[in-house]
Parts: sequence; structure tokens; C-alpha cells
Amino acid sequence: EDQVTQSPEALRLQEGESSSLNCSYTVSGLRGLFWYRQDPGKGPEFLFTLYSAGEEKEKERLKATLTKKESFLHITAPKPEDSATYLCAAIYNQGGKLIFGQGTELSVKP
Amino acid sequence: GAVVSQHPSWVICKSGTSVKIECRSLDFQATTMFWYRQFPKQSLMLMATSNEGSKATYEQGVEKDKFLINHASLTLSTLTVTSAHPEDSSFYICSASHLNYGYTFGSGTRLTVV
Repeated sequence: EDQVTQSPEALRLQEGESSSLNCSYTVSGLRGLFWYRQDPGKGPEFLFTLYSAGEEKEKERLKATLTKKESFLHITAPKPEDSATYLCAAIYNQGGKLIFGQGTELSVKP
Repeated sequence: GAVVSQHPSWVICKSGTSVKIECRSLDFQATTMFWYRQFPKQSLMLMATSNEGSKATYEQGVEKDKFLINHASLTLSTLTVTSAHPEDSSFYICSASHLNYGYTFGSGTRLTVV
């Protein structure tokens, strides 16, 4: 069974303290790896899609990378407004269902 | 582009009644839509995959007669929670797939059954 595992479950940072979130996935048959941000009481907001090992994408303080067995979401000099739950999801069939990890709840304190 | 509108954003209903949640793709045609359920502090759990013009495919453990899904057009899918009970209280989220924009999510519906 295809699985996606995120770590840590929760992460507390001070403003400006850079860190990384991890997403491990079932390797065989991966078609795409997605990162989403979810604020309380809201639907997930799309951040990045990665398709092949070695690929990197950036947006403001966030950078997503993909290796052959895991993906990282790097947060550089985070601000309190970056506080949210970050979800990783994988897809194994074109147009098929996303398989989500458990999420990492990020809290950035001023 | 690729905006998904979900309505209502929250609803309170009495036990035993039915509630309908709508999911619309505003600026694209979505042949496939997905319905998720999310409990507090947990990730999204896929309930069913909805294809326009055909019956929905439900995930294991999801009651088809309890959660009715209709995808009658390329821009609208609905989820009806029938004979709702307090244990059906949850956050329901829809998603639509788009060739260029991947998977876009609605803003979610908070259902409370009293």
C-alpha cells in the first residue's frame, strides 16, 4: 500500500529560525509530490508540485526539494504568518487520488 | 486560475436531517472531483472520487447510502449527508483536478450535527 509519512508532527520555531519539514513516500510508481499549506478552518492551499528527483521549487521563504525517497520543505527565516499545517501528498496514477501525509503543524513565535 | 468554490462554509443541522454541500469549479471544467473528511488535528481522509456522469467511487469503510455524491455537470459536484448524526460532525473538503493546475481545494464545510 502506498504511504506518505511526514515528520515532525509539530514544530515550534522562533522567528528567523530556519528549519526543514520531511516527507517520505512509497518510491515505486510516484507520479508527483505535492506540498500544501492549511490554515485552521480552511481548505489546503497549493504550494508546490515536484515530479522528479533533484527538482527544486521556491516561493518566498519556502523551498521544496525532492530526492529519490523523500521530499523536504525548507523554511528560511520564518515569520509568524508562516504558522500553519503543512501537508505533503503523493500521486501514483495520472489524475488519480492524492495520498496525504499526516501533516506538520508549524508554529513560529515572534 | 483553477478556483474551487465550496458552499456552505459552515452548517448546523438537527440529528436525522440531511445536508447538502456543493463544490463548484469556477473557471475550469473538472471531470474528476474528490471529497475528503478531516477530523481535528488529523490529515485529510479521502471519502470518494466523483466522475462527471458516472457513479462515485467510494473508499473502503465509507457508507455509500450515507454520503450521496452527485456529479451531474463538469463544474458541480454535491455531497449529501443523509440522516445525519452527531458522529458525522466534521470538516468536509472537496477538490478538483485540473490538467495544468493540479489539484485545487475548496475552502471546506464545517458540519455540526446537534
